[in-house]
Amino acid sequence: LAKTTQPISMDSYEGQEVNITCSHNNIATNDYITWYQQFPSQGPRFIIQGYKTKVTNEVASLFIPADRKSSTLSLPRVSLSDTAVYYCLVGGVRTGGFKTIFGAGTRLFVKA
Amino acid sequence: ETGVTQTPRHLVMGMTNKKSLKCEQHLGHNAMYWYKQSAKKPLELMFVYNFKEQTENNSVPSRFSPECPNSSHLFLHLHTLQPEDSALYLCASSQLAGASYEQYFGPGTRLTVT
Repeated sequence: LAKTTQPISMDSYEGQEVNITCSHNNIATNDYITWYQQFPSQGPRFIIQGYKTKVTNEVASLFIPADRKSSTLSLPRVSLSDTAVYYCLVGGVRTGGFKTIFGAGTRLFVKA
Repeated sequence: ETGVTQTPRHLVMGMTNKKSLKCEQHLGHNAMYWYKQSAKKPLELMFVYNFKEQTENNSVPSRFSPECPNSSHLFLHLHTLQPEDSALYLCASSQLAGASYEQYFGPGTRLTVT
């Protein structure tokens, strides 16, 4: 299974761009890369998903290099409300069923 | 509000008790999941149901017993738990069981085993 590795924590200031990288060296061919955001006492919330190259939506961008062994979540111009834990998820179908591996999460703290 | 509700939100139980966690989704999804989130540990996928059929059991101890009577409801029956089972139990749903489908999570049930 594709184990993921993320930085444990990151600090930033309001208005800055934040990049969080996730390593997934053993990613399988049919695995997707998904990022979730989690606030205290809430369930995770979907941010963005990609398979390869670059994906952008209204809240973030996801950069995936050609070898797909890592991915970078980019949050433009963060605000205090972006303080949360960000999870990198690698998942796909394996022999025997559906597998999902969440990373340990990166705790982002945005300061004023 | 994600469209996924969980009850109870908090539960304290002794090791000899039997209790159940309930999850309901109002999104018309066909897949539902149970996750365990312990302090200082990554989210762990426990069970996956697709069209009411269990498709995944990630080596979960038998003291956790899932039940999916229909695509909208998911239960987790608990019996003879251990203190290390204390955690946040999260339910999620998606259109289908697959990595390309966005998962919608409920708020979780905070379980404490005494």
